Amino acid sequence: EAGVTQFPSHSVIEKGQTVTLRCDPISGHDNLYWYRRVMGKEIKFLLHFVKESKQDESGMPNNRFLAERTGGTYSTLKVQPAELEDSGVYFCASSQDFPGRFGNTIYFGEGSWLTVV
Amino acid sequence: AQSVTQLGSHVSVSEGALVLLRCNYSSSVPPYLFWYVQYPNQGLQLLLKYTTGATLVKGINGFEAEFKKSETSFHLTKPSAHMSDAAEYFCAVSGNNAGNMLTFGGGTRLMVKP
Repeated sequence: EAGVTQFPSHSVIEKGQTVTLRCDPISGHDNLYWYRRVMGKEIKFLLHFVKESKQDESGMPNNRFLAERTGGTYSTLKVQPAELEDSGVYFCASSQDFPGRFGNTIYFGEGSWLTVV
Repeated sequence: AQSVTQLGSHVSVSEGALVLLRCNYSSSVPPYLFWYVQYPNQGLQLLLKYTTGATLVKGINGFEAEFKKSETSFHLTKPSAHMSDAAEYFCAVSGNNAGNMLTFGGGTRLMVKP
């Protein structure tokens, strides 16, 4: 069974440009999450989809970030325009159920490493 | 609100020595607790988790952790370190209500000396 896959694995862009990160969750997982870790900081929650609906987007830093999940399958996270402080690792994760449900596990992808120069 | 504190951003042990990575949490609801590991150039992998029941939980690769409610701790241990354990370890907490996301600690990088 394929795990959570993310693309691209690494990206270097100039300040002001646009980058789109893609995440394919594990098949059958309705819950999809985006997290990020900027240099030297904790891994922070960005947002949570249940199927195609945004369940919680309280962690999105500002309106330069736009996440979509068309058809409840893969998701994209667009940063436009990118700023230097956006550099970091963006993790996607998926699960069958909410993290608070007994026995549920959240599976993470390998991350998309973004460098803004 | 929830928070996680991992004492020591870097821990170094000798091969064969005890591994102890510390994690303390705060949570306004009974917590679910997790340890994830990130090996170089890989994603986050679940080591173990505590939800309910036995407070000593065993995970993969010989790791275990004990939930101590009175101390609000969930320290990760392994009796004998192996070179392959070198990685970054993350403690995380979530509430037991639907919609509560994972809150991570800052991570601890474990180095294993030969």
